Amino acid sequence: QSVLTQPPSVSGAPGQRVTISCTGTSSNIGAGYAVYWYQQVPGAAPKLLIDTYNYRPSGVPDRFSASKSGSSASLAITGLQAEDEADYHCQSYDSGLSGPVFGSGTKVTVL
Amino acid sequence: QVQLQESGPGLVKPSQTLSLTCTVSGVSISGDDCYWSWIRQPPGKDLELIGYIYFSGNGYYNPSLGNRVSMSVDTSSNRFSLSLTSMTAADTAVYYCARDPGFCNRTSCYHHFDTWGQGTLVTVSS
Repeated sequence: QSVLTQPPSVSGAPGQRVTISCTGTSSNIGAGYAVYWYQQVPGAAPKLLIDTYNYRPSGVPDRFSASKSGSSASLAITGLQAEDEADYHCQSYDSGLSGPVFGSGTKVTVL
Repeated sequence: QVQLQESGPGLVKPSQTLSLTCTVSGVSISGDDCYWSWIRQPPGKDLELIGYIYFSGNGYYNPSLGNRVSMSVDTSSNRFSLSLTSMTAADTAVYYCARDPGFCNRTSCYHHFDTWGQGTLVTVSS
């Protein structure tokens, strides 16, 4: 069972905006640790997508944005495109475990 | 361009030890001020950090794996390795190596994974 909780799935029509939540506790997100988001298309390795400070590696479109409040974080995808269909994982640091922890993953489906 | 490539057996028998190697290209393991990590993903399940190691040998192992895990770095060949003992069916997963450019300071920790290998499927079966 993952330390960070995400909804199993979200969906939206092309062009719409979808958000994915990542809920943690006072020992990880709530403690102020940064949250990182990864995109994983089927059959491929995860790819770093964005972080809490909205830093995006080269090539990641600005349709992806991140935010954080309290013990939760969110990833928003605006102008949803077919190529955004993938699994999305959040990740933070946990002071109790003294190491990085991942979320349970969310499958985004483009209708 | 930094690239990582996992290598090792695709099939391991129960109770045996898994040994995987990650070859790093495009950067020197000893010169890149990063941690070198192993992450796994059982089929259809979540990502799980196994641990990470610095070129000096310092690192972190996921407490959930107890004393089954060890990692090492070979700077001469620019590789790092994972050893996982007492393998069971629950260890069947895709194993990824990844680079972690993060760090901890007095106020926070910023560990994350910016470059990943393609992954290798390890099946535990007799």
